[in-house]
Amino acid sequence: QSVLTQPPSASGTPGQRVTISCSGSSSNIGSNTVNWYQQLPGTAPKLLIYSNNQRPSGVPDRFSGSKSGTSASLAISGLQSEDEADYYCAAWDDSPYVFGTGTKVTVL
Amino acid sequence: QVQLQESGPGLVKPSQTLSLTCTVSGGSISSGGYYWSWIRQHPGKGLEWIGYIYYSGSTYYNPSLKSRVTISVDTSKNQFSLKLSSVTAADTAVYYCARDRATGTGLDYWGQGTLVTVSS
Repeated sequence: QSVLTQPPSASGTPGQRVTISCSGSSSNIGSNTVNWYQQLPGTAPKLLIYSNNQRPSGVPDRFSGSKSGTSASLAISGLQSEDEADYYCAAWDDSPYVFGTGTKVTVL
Repeated sequence: QVQLQESGPGLVKPSQTLSLTCTVSGGSISSGGYYWSWIRQHPGKGLEWIGYIYYSGSTYYNPSLKSRVTISVDTSKNQFSLKLSSVTAADTAVYYCARDRATGTGLDYWGQGTLVTVSS
């Protein structure tokens, strides 16, 4: 069972801004950087954000990340139909690398 | 472009050992700087980190699986492998191999994943 808690779902219409929260503790988010992964249906996860707010090459700038204390957030600005996917936060904990519970984003 | 590809049996009997191999192309495991990782995803569920290996052979496992997991590396073949012993139906999952940038900056390349079903 994950120690990083995310809302199970989020939704928006095309063009809207959607925000996903990730709540952890002092042993994971509070002590380490946060990464975010996007998993399109039927595919492997893809690194979307690293080191709290950095985008790998090729990731659109409408994806942004932030961290404060023991929580982190992923924002999608200008939501597009291709953003419909599952999103996972992740961070190192005292021992294992832990993933969030996952949030399914639906584009209405 | 780094590519990873999992291979191994898609069906394993209960109590037996699950064995998977990840073949890396487009980059050398021996070059260092990366942790070579295994992650799994139970059907319809979230992601679970299993562990990683460095090219030197150093390993780090999820404590919840540590007693049953062995990850090894064969640099001559540019492959790393996962063995999970005493499997049960609860080990049925899609297993992914991935490259970890070893700086806390995430798993940047993933294999496509392989479904392993534990059933008699």
